[in-house]
Amino acid sequence: AQKITQTQPGMFVQEKEAVTLDCTYDTSDQSYGLFWYKQPSSGEMIFLIYQGSYDEQNATEGRYSLNFQKARKSANLVISASQLGDSAMYFCAMRVIGNQFYFGTGTSLTVIP
Amino acid sequence: NAGVTQTPKFQVLKTGQSMTLQCAQDMNHEYMSWYRQDPGMGLRLIHYSVGAGITDQGEVPNGYNVSRSTTEDFPLRLLSAAPSQTSVYFCASSYSGTLNYGYTFGSGTRLTVV
Repeated sequence: AQKITQTQPGMFVQEKEAVTLDCTYDTSDQSYGLFWYKQPSSGEMIFLIYQGSYDEQNATEGRYSLNFQKARKSANLVISASQLGDSAMYFCAMRVIGNQFYFGTGTSLTVIP
Repeated sequence: NAGVTQTPKFQVLKTGQSMTLQCAQDMNHEYMSWYRQDPGMGLRLIHYSVGAGITDQGEVPNGYNVSRSTTEDFPLRLLSAAPSQTSVYFCASSYSGTLNYGYTFGSGTRLTVV
């Protein structure tokens, strides 16, 4: 079965601190892609970062990095130097062969000034 | 700007009314999907399409119809609105046959059924 699990419904972080949002995935496929999306209170879905299953290096995009541990089937998002504008809902997603995407239930992040 | 255009942004329907949510993309994406987002439940797939003339059901298809007559357009029809269909709806598109390309999402439609 294909599944994404995000176990943290809500997280708080102090401004300028780093925060890790957890994501575990379940698939028997060898090839897959992992994605993180941000949904601010305005509602749009914004792509943040991508990691391929065969990528040996962790993906990074500015202040975002993806801590990819293939053996543990985890793809945690790390946000460094949190800003007030990082307050949002964050979704982890997996794409598998056959085009389907699977989404987690999301983590609500609040950045405290 | 290239992207996914979704209309309307807000809609209030009475129970039993029908309506169509419009979705159009200009990126030549083969793969298009409709999701509904409800609190605590993440994104649930309603219907998807891998190309013009081809559609299939997702996780929660009941009460919804889709068609894909062109690559660009993928409308979602609510046949007879029910309060349980109150939700935020997202259209999304992507290239087909590749794992390293994510979704581009529309801006969403907030639908309330009274």
